[in-house]
Amino acid sequence: DVVMTQSPLSLPVTLGQPASISCRSSQSLVNNDGNTYLHWFQQRQGQSPRRLIYEVSKRDSGAPDRFSGSGSGTDFTLQISRVEAEDIGIYYCMQGTHGKTFGQGTKLEI
Amino acid sequence: QLVESGGGLVQPGGSLRLSCAASGFTFSSYWMSWVRQAPEKGLEWVAIIDGDGNQKFYVDSVRGRFTISRDNAKNSVHLQMNSLRAEDTAVYYCARDPSYGAFDVWGPGTMVIVSS
Repeated sequence: DVVMTQSPLSLPVTLGQPASISCRSSQSLVNNDGNTYLHWFQQRQGQSPRRLIYEVSKRDSGAPDRFSGSGSGTDFTLQISRVEAEDIGIYYCMQGTHGKTFGQGTKLEI
Repeated sequence: QLVESGGGLVQPGGSLRLSCAASGFTFSSYWMSWVRQAPEKGLEWVAIIDGDGNQKFYVDSVRGRFTISRDNAKNSVHLQMNSLRAEDTAVYYCARDPSYGAFDVWGPGTMVIVSS
């Protein structure tokens, strides 16, 4: 089974400053079709998860452009260029190449 | 839009059937998943079903106890949960899967509590 490891698990941030979350998989997430199915979700307190980024770097239409995703193979990163108050919550990476596995979650907090 | 129902309190060993009503999109064109979140814990994918209802996959911890199904005529997906355990206690979310886990629509969730 693929294991997804996020770091850090807790990320103190300063409003207006950048933030970065790492996600590593125990095996390559490149699928036989050449695509990499690594996605990022945001979950605010008391809310359902919401997709931000899919297939490593494709930003959802409703996601602010301060969010970006990058990476390849087994190493991936979610970056926030300038943290805003509404970004506080828990962020999960998830792989869909070998079954479906979520990372443990990274709590973004002031 | 997705809306789950059917959660509640059940004793260990008991059964529960969750439902998810879909609207606003061509339901039969999409794979659908159930994802759960235990109290104060992270997200865990549980099960998935293809658009025709022919392909079904489960996480190891529920295989043989849970069954996912769908009714395309009624735009609904279901999760039959048998032999429930305390560790199945969680909020259960229904999610639309356009491609390899890229869950783009989520319901508000329904709470399942397994306790005596």
